[in-house]
Amino acid sequence: EDKVVQSPLSLVVHEGDTVTLNCSYEVTNFRSLLWYKQEKKAPTFLFMLTSSGIEKKSGRLSSILDKKELSSILNITATQTGDSAIYLCAGWGANSKLTFGKGITLSVRP
Amino acid sequence: DVKVTQSSRYLVKRTGEKVFLECVQDMDHENMFWYRQDPGLGLRLIYFSYDVKMKEKGDIPEGYSVSREKKERFSLILESASTNQTSMYLCASSSTGGGSYEQYFGPGTRLTVT
Repeated sequence: EDKVVQSPLSLVVHEGDTVTLNCSYEVTNFRSLLWYKQEKKAPTFLFMLTSSGIEKKSGRLSSILDKKELSSILNITATQTGDSAIYLCAGWGANSKLTFGKGITLSVRP
Repeated sequence: DVKVTQSSRYLVKRTGEKVFLECVQDMDHENMFWYRQDPGLGLRLIYFSYDVKMKEKGDIPEGYSVSREKKERFSLILESASTNQTSMYLCASSSTGGGSYEQYFGPGTRLTVT
């Protein structure tokens, strides 16, 4: 059975801090790892990572995949209150099916 | 822009009622998915479909069924709603072609069964 584990499950930081969110996966016929951000509505897509060691970047957010360690990290620098959300990691394996982790709840205090 | 819509944002039903949740996407996507999301449990896949009239069980199909009669529409059915099916239900769609595995989500339906 495919499994995706995220850590920590929740964290609280202050504006301006840098955070690192972790994701590890055990996914049969692994193809890609995806990160989503979820505020009080549907998840919105952040990154898709297919190749190991290549960082993807969007503004203050960046992410990288390590296929050897079966893991990925999502970094957020200079955090803002608008970064408060649940961050979901999902592994894409066989049959076009995504397996999601439980999510990391990030709270950014002013 | 891909648009995935769900028939209701909030729904309250009684135990034993039959419940239909509808999802429509406008991007001609082959794949459609139904998830439920509960605190501390994350998103869990209920059913998915690769094509019209095709369906596959996800991780928690018990108590649910689905229907996909048209490519753009994927319905989730609770034959006899129970209180443990109170949850947020999210529909998603994705394309098979081009190596894009991104799923686009609808706004969700918060279902309460009393």
